[in-house]
Amino acid sequence: AQTVTQSQPEMSVQEAETVTLSCTYDTSENNYYLFWYKQPPSRQMILVIRQEAYKQQNATENRFSVNFQKAAKSFSLKISDSQLGDTAMYFCAFMTSFTGANSKLTFGKGITLSVRP
Amino acid sequence: ETGVTQSPTHLIKTRGQQVTLRCSSQSGHNTVSWYQQALGQGPQFIFQYYREEENGRGNFPPRFSGLQFPNYSSELNVNALELDDSALYLCASSLVVGPGLETQYFGPGTRLLVL
Repeated sequence: AQTVTQSQPEMSVQEAETVTLSCTYDTSENNYYLFWYKQPPSRQMILVIRQEAYKQQNATENRFSVNFQKAAKSFSLKISDSQLGDTAMYFCAFMTSFTGANSKLTFGKGITLSVRP
Repeated sequence: ETGVTQSPTHLIKTRGQQVTLRCSSQSGHNTVSWYQQALGQGPQFIFQYYREEENGRGNFPPRFSGLQFPNYSSELNVNALELDDSALYLCASSLVVGPGLETQYFGPGTRLLVL
């Protein structure tokens, strides 16, 4: 079974600064996908960034980038130039390829990020 | 916005009752997944429907059941409600065309309180 661990329950960052959110996972699979989702206080879960395990290059989406270390089973999210709108709960999630129940997302417990003005 | 909607937004039920939650997927999405999110926790997978057939189930009892319709809508039904069923219920739709990456788009959720 796959597990996702987010060990930091809360983090705070000053507006315009950079923050890194940590995530580790455990799996015996070789092909899988990793995601970071954002859940603002309005509740709707929004995809931030995704990474295919077979790609060595780290994914980047504007101010968001990941540090994917496959051997260490680590998948951290870096947010540059933090904005007040980044305040939310962030979930790291794991999925194997589409084969029935393997296409489910397995989530970590989440981390609450607060951006201070 | 993800284009996925859910109704109702909030619901209060008593123990032993039955509840139906609804989800409208993005147009063209052939897969819908349901998750239960307890307060302060990450979502837990309940089950998934692909082309109107159940396509995988998490560790939830049979009193959790679902339906998916051809018009991209779906339902989650919970019978014999228990206090621990109080949670945010999320649906997520996706388009699956074969083995490979599938991105799930979430609705805003239904907050269920069981008294």
